[in-house]
Amino acid sequence: DSGVTQTPKHLITATGQRVTLRCSPRSGDLSVYWYQQSLDQGLQFLIQYYNGEERAKGNILERFSAQQFPDLHSELNLSSLELGDSALYFCASTTDDRVYNSPLHFGNGTRLTVT
Amino acid sequence: KNQVEQSPQSLIILEGKNCTLQCNYTVSPFSNLRWYKQDTGRGPVSLTIMTFSENTKSNGRYTATLDADTKQSSLHITASQLSDSASYICVVSPYNTDKLIFGTGTRLQVFP
Repeated sequence: DSGVTQTPKHLITATGQRVTLRCSPRSGDLSVYWYQQSLDQGLQFLIQYYNGEERAKGNILERFSAQQFPDLHSELNLSSLELGDSALYFCASTTDDRVYNSPLHFGNGTRLTVT
Repeated sequence: KNQVEQSPQSLIILEGKNCTLQCNYTVSPFSNLRWYKQDTGRGPVSLTIMTFSENTKSNGRYTATLDADTKQSSLHITASQLSDSASYICVVSPYNTDKLIFGTGTRLQVFP
């Protein structure tokens, strides 16, 4: 168990809808990263938060947004959903704000299916 | 072209056998190279992290090697077990950046 908790595990929704994915990092970790994993694709970095502030952005669409709350949990909001947004969404956490030398601890993901 | 390419895409072996997974990368220079194991429906779990100056690192029956000259890494699994069935992902961190570049993984199936 990595200590990173993601909810819900599965989400099925229709095109055009909006959903919120939630992540609680490991105890003591200040950084939260969001990744998208589409079928047979490598993990794609979306966005990073450190201690409540946005730290880095990756290939995140404008329809997607995220935030990290004072208790350090994070939420990823996906709106105007399209079929191509169907994927596994992973949250990961680390202790500090740099990932290049820190092991990432991943949650078990939220599987989003857009119909 | 992907900066981190893994081969084979999938592999089937019998329980108890050894196997080697390959990772070729073009990222240069880089800070470290990692191997992750991802069970179906679960998040990736770190197996090894090697800096550019390390040649080998072991974690139980998993041994990763790194050849920075040829830009190749391999993950060797000894005496495979059914629980080794998973995807194995190679990840490279470019030097002086805070990025991680993920390969698409090798899917390993171990049969009894």
